[in-house]
Amino acid sequence: EAEVAQSPRYKITEKSQAVAFWCDPISGHATLYWYRQILGQGPELLVQFQDESVVDDSQLPKDRFSAERLKGVDSTLKIQPAELGDSAMYLCASSLQSGAGWAWNEQFFGPGTRLTVL
Amino acid sequence: DAKTTQPPSMDCAEGRAANLPCNHSTISGNEYVYWYRQIHSQGPQYIIHGLKNNETNEMASLIITEDRKSSTLILPHATLRDTAVYYCIVRVSNFGNEKLTFGTGTRLTIIP
Repeated sequence: EAEVAQSPRYKITEKSQAVAFWCDPISGHATLYWYRQILGQGPELLVQFQDESVVDDSQLPKDRFSAERLKGVDSTLKIQPAELGDSAMYLCASSLQSGAGWAWNEQFFGPGTRLTVL
Repeated sequence: DAKTTQPPSMDCAEGRAANLPCNHSTISGNEYVYWYRQIHSQGPQYIIHGLKNNETNEMASLIITEDRKSSTLILPHATLRDTAVYYCIVRVSNFGNEKLTFGTGTRLTIIP
C-alpha cells in the first residue's frame, strides 16, 4: 500500500540552528500539506500546495519557516532559526486532487518528524 | 468551519461497541462531519465522513442526528488497536480548500 514518506523521524537541534524536513507524498497526489502538532493538541495546517504552488500559507510563520515543492512532487519544510517553541511533531499529508470539479479526496498522513529544540 | 466539542477521554472494554460523541451545534447545511483517528506516534488516519445520512464502512459507523447538531462514531467491536485519539471535524468540502481543522479530540482507551 502506498504511503507518505517523511524523514527524518526524529530531530534534535539547538535553538538558533537550521532544520529541514522532507516529505515524499503518495505518487500522483497533487495536493500536499504540512501540519504542526504540539503535544496534547490536534494538528494545525502550516502550508498547503497544489502541485508546485502554495494555496494556503496563512498559518506559516514566514519570518523563520519556509516550504517548497519545486517539481510538484516531494517537499521540504525548513526552519531557520529554530526556537524552543518549535518543538512539535511535523506531519506531511497528501491527497489526490483539490480543485473544482473533483470529489473530496481522503488525506493520507505520513508518520511525522518529531522535532526537539534544546 | 463549525467548531466541535468532544469529551477529552473515554474508556471501552475490548469487544464492546465504542460510541464516541461529538457536538457541532453551529454546523451549516453544507458542512460535512469527518472523523479521523491518531494512534500513538503515527499520523492521523481517515475513518469516515457524512453529510446528513448515517454512514457505514469497514472501520466504523457514523450516526448523525436529524438536526445535524451532533453525531456519534461507533466502533462496533473495539480491539486494543483502536486505542487512539479520535478527532471529529466539521467543514465544508468545497473542493478548493481541503484543510482539516483539528480540535483536541477524544482519547479512547480500550481496556482488556
